[in-house]
Amino acid sequence: SAVISQKPSRDICQRGTSLTIQCQVDSQVTMMFWYRQQPGQSLTLIATANQGSEATYESGFVIDKFPISRPNLTFSTLTVSNMSPEDSSIYLCSVDGQSGANVLTFGAGSRLTVL
Amino acid sequence: AQSVTQLDSQVPVFEEAPVELRCNYSSSVSVYLFWYVQYPNQGLQLLLKYLSGSTLVKGINGFEAEFNKSQTSFHLRKPSVHISDTAEYFCAVDAGGTSYGKLTFGQGTILTVHP
Repeated sequence: SAVISQKPSRDICQRGTSLTIQCQVDSQVTMMFWYRQQPGQSLTLIATANQGSEATYESGFVIDKFPISRPNLTFSTLTVSNMSPEDSSIYLCSVDGQSGANVLTFGAGSRLTVL
Repeated sequence: AQSVTQLDSQVPVFEEAPVELRCNYSSSVSVYLFWYVQYPNQGLQLLLKYLSGSTLVKGINGFEAEFNKSQTSFHLRKPSVHISDTAEYFCAVDAGGTSYGKLTFGQGTILTVHP
């Protein structure tokens, strides 16, 4: 399965600032997704990162708050804009598995704390 | 839309005892089912999956799960747990089709194995 590297692994941010999280995959993948795991909560899908077009956002998530880039088949970024303490979460990148496997592989996540 | 309910938020158990982590789901379509494990400060790792075929699926680390369509359940079991199994376990569903890769997760079950 694909190996995913996420940067940063953790960060402490100030209210009102923005942070960009990078997701690098060691092989070309069709689908890339961004999930959020708020403290003590389960994972929620933020958006699907589409190569060559705008990301597809799930209900409750908007592009102005979570802009996403996907310049090629191995890389994506998620920006958390104008952060507030409520954005303190683990943000995880995930990619689809081998063709037909219907399995997602997850990165180790980026743990953000907003003060 | 799909939903997933993990019936136990925390399960304490002694080492070498059997364990069952319960998961129920609801969906209007056929689904793919997954169990993921999250060790402290790590990303998610796939334990096992049900895509089709035999309703009893075996995964890594001695875990298995049984898909029960009539009861819409996908309970995770292990006959003898180890200290190293202490982690949080997430049940997830994927409706496939246009929803491929968009996992709906349960709230998680924290398994604590005591010596």
